[in-house]
Amino acid sequence: AQSVTQLGSHVSVSEGALVLLRCNYSSSVPPYLFWYVQYPNQGLQLLLKYTSAATLVKGINGFEAEFKKSETSFHLTKPSAHMSDAAEYFCAVSVGHNNDMRFGAGTRLTVKP
Amino acid sequence: DTGVSQDPRHKITKRGQNVTFRCDPISEHNRLYWYRQTLGQGPEFLTYFQNEAQLEKSRLLSDRFSAERPKGSFSTLEIQRTEQGDSAMYLCASSLAPGRGVHYGYTFGSGTRLTVV
Repeated sequence: AQSVTQLGSHVSVSEGALVLLRCNYSSSVPPYLFWYVQYPNQGLQLLLKYTSAATLVKGINGFEAEFKKSETSFHLTKPSAHMSDAAEYFCAVSVGHNNDMRFGAGTRLTVKP
Repeated sequence: DTGVSQDPRHKITKRGQNVTFRCDPISEHNRLYWYRQTLGQGPEFLTYFQNEAQLEKSRLLSDRFSAERPKGSFSTLEIQRTEQGDSAMYLCASSLAPGRGVHYGYTFGSGTRLTVV
């Protein structure tokens, strides 16, 4: 069965610093991979997705992620953190025709002024 | 289209009572998903529909939980005889069914926060 592991439940960066949120996946077949962001008391918003095209995927709000099959990773990065980036971030994997998505436990990003 | 709508946003109920939540998906989306999210955790899959057919149910979905999508549009999730452990955020999402090499991702609603006291 497919799954994702997010390394680090809490990441803290200074405003303007690089953001790196880690995600490793487990899947016996080529996966679809996603990053979502969740603000307090809201649903999840899609940041970006990997669907077997380009391995470097650009998303909204300046985020991007790189699919590395050899490392089974799909880490999320942003060159310069903004205060508005403070939120919970979830990595998710989907395989097969059923398409249902499995989420990691999430990483809370804090941005210090 | 206003996105995925969930009603109510918050529900407080006494243990043992029944509750029902509603989800209105994006109109052209044929798939609808229910997830449960507890504090500090990622969403856990409960069930999904393609049109009106319920195609998969998680083992998390005990006999007290039932979901319907009678006309392939809106969906309801009912919890009977609520327990304190049912307290969580219940998220609904919708999407188009995947195609060959194509995955559209999900659009989530804002969720219904259930508190069982």
